[in-house]
Amino acid sequence: QSTLTQPVSVSGSPGQSISISCTGTTNDVGNYDFVSWYQQRFPGEVPKLIIYDVDNRPSGVSNRFSGSKSGNTASLTISGLLAEDEGDYYCTSFTTSHTHVFGSGTKVTVL
Amino acid sequence: EVQLVESGGGVVQPGGSLRLSCAASGFTFGNFWMHWVRQAPGKGPMWVSRIDNDGTNINYADSVKGRFTISRDNAKNTVYLQMNNLRAEDTAVYYCIRDFRIYDFWGQGTQVTVSS
Repeated sequence: QSTLTQPVSVSGSPGQSISISCTGTTNDVGNYDFVSWYQQRFPGEVPKLIIYDVDNRPSGVSNRFSGSKSGNTASLTISGLLAEDEGDYYCTSFTTSHTHVFGSGTKVTVL
Repeated sequence: EVQLVESGGGVVQPGGSLRLSCAASGFTFGNFWMHWVRQAPGKGPMWVSRIDNDGTNINYADSVKGRFTISRDNAKNTVYLQMNNLRAEDTAVYYCIRDFRIYDFWGQGTQVTVSS
């Protein structure tokens, strides 16, 4: 299974909005609305779920995080960027092989 | 309080075996799919395997298929990952995860190091 493609890095100033793309294929992102996003602020920290099923936020996750999908590409948008949003972000999708696949990861930097 | 506690990690030589355990508490274990995900040093997470509520549906990542076996004992609230023929590239922190979706919850992980 190949990883989903994400940009290596995205940056923005405090208060700005940024978006992270997650590109897969018709065998994963394009076939299911089972796309999730995880935040990992520090190396070694347990990843935290911030979006599930494309555009749903778990209880307690800030509404500054939102998700969407179009075709084979899902996106995570962070609005009103805060310093605490720095870290690595990973998408994941269910696949037609009944497995899951993670994205390559995106490092978010707050300037 | 929901808890997932992994154990069984350690240092093993290439070709060796390890059995990871994940003890669950604080929720009705038998109601949830369970997953294993690993993260190698400096790398992103990689999904490894999943098992359904009663153990009848199981899936693996291609890179571990034929070498790893997932299982569960609902009476003991525990999910296992038997890892055979280990390779250097299996070195990672292994996380046990409940549901991997709306009821997502991760354990703290157990380190597996494959080295001669």
